[in-house]
Amino acid sequence: GQQLNQSPQSMFIQEGEDVSMNCTSSSIFNTWLWYKQDPGEGPVLLIALYKAGELTSNGRLTAQFGITRKDSFLNISASIPSDVGIYFCAGLIQGAQKLVFGQGTRLTINP
Amino acid sequence: DTEVTQTPKHLVMGMTNKKSLKCEQHMGHRAMYWYKQKAKKPPELMFVYSYEKLSINESVPSRFSPECPNSSLLNLHLHALQPEDSALYLCASSLPRGYPYNEQFFGPGTRLTVL
Repeated sequence: GQQLNQSPQSMFIQEGEDVSMNCTSSSIFNTWLWYKQDPGEGPVLLIALYKAGELTSNGRLTAQFGITRKDSFLNISASIPSDVGIYFCAGLIQGAQKLVFGQGTRLTINP
Repeated sequence: DTEVTQTPKHLVMGMTNKKSLKCEQHMGHRAMYWYKQKAKKPPELMFVYSYEKLSINESVPSRFSPECPNSSLLNLHLHALQPEDSALYLCASSLPRGYPYNEQFFGPGTRLTVL
């Protein structure tokens, strides 16, 4: 079945640093989604991408849908303490309802 | 309104109990989902309802019984659960299959502990 390889698995950074994470797959996806999850809470949708090559921003967050449709990245600029959490990428094949999730990137910020 | 609500927030039950988890959305979505999430893992799909009909069952044990009474509500009935069923149970909703913008919105989850 489809798999998403998300990296890095964890990041330990200083407040104010920029962050970059990505997801790759051997399968083509028509939709890429990026979620953030705080402990004990549900995932919150950060950015949705629908077209190959699309670059979308949401405040300090920027995500891109890879040209090959097999990858996506998420950048966070000037990190702040509330950025701490687990970030998941998820892909959706056209016509499907089952999201394929990456394993998550755990972000820790040292003040 | 992009909110999915879930009740209860926490649930502790014994292996012989019967309980239900509830989920509600008012975004006009016609697809609703149940996921199970273990610690440090991504959510795992359990069930999908599309237009109030069960469209996907990911080989979930029969001790989990979903129900979609109407387009806004989704229930998960629990009976004779095992301790390994302890997890965060997430509900999500989206536009149905075939729509171009079908991102899934998650609720806050129910933390279930089976003793």
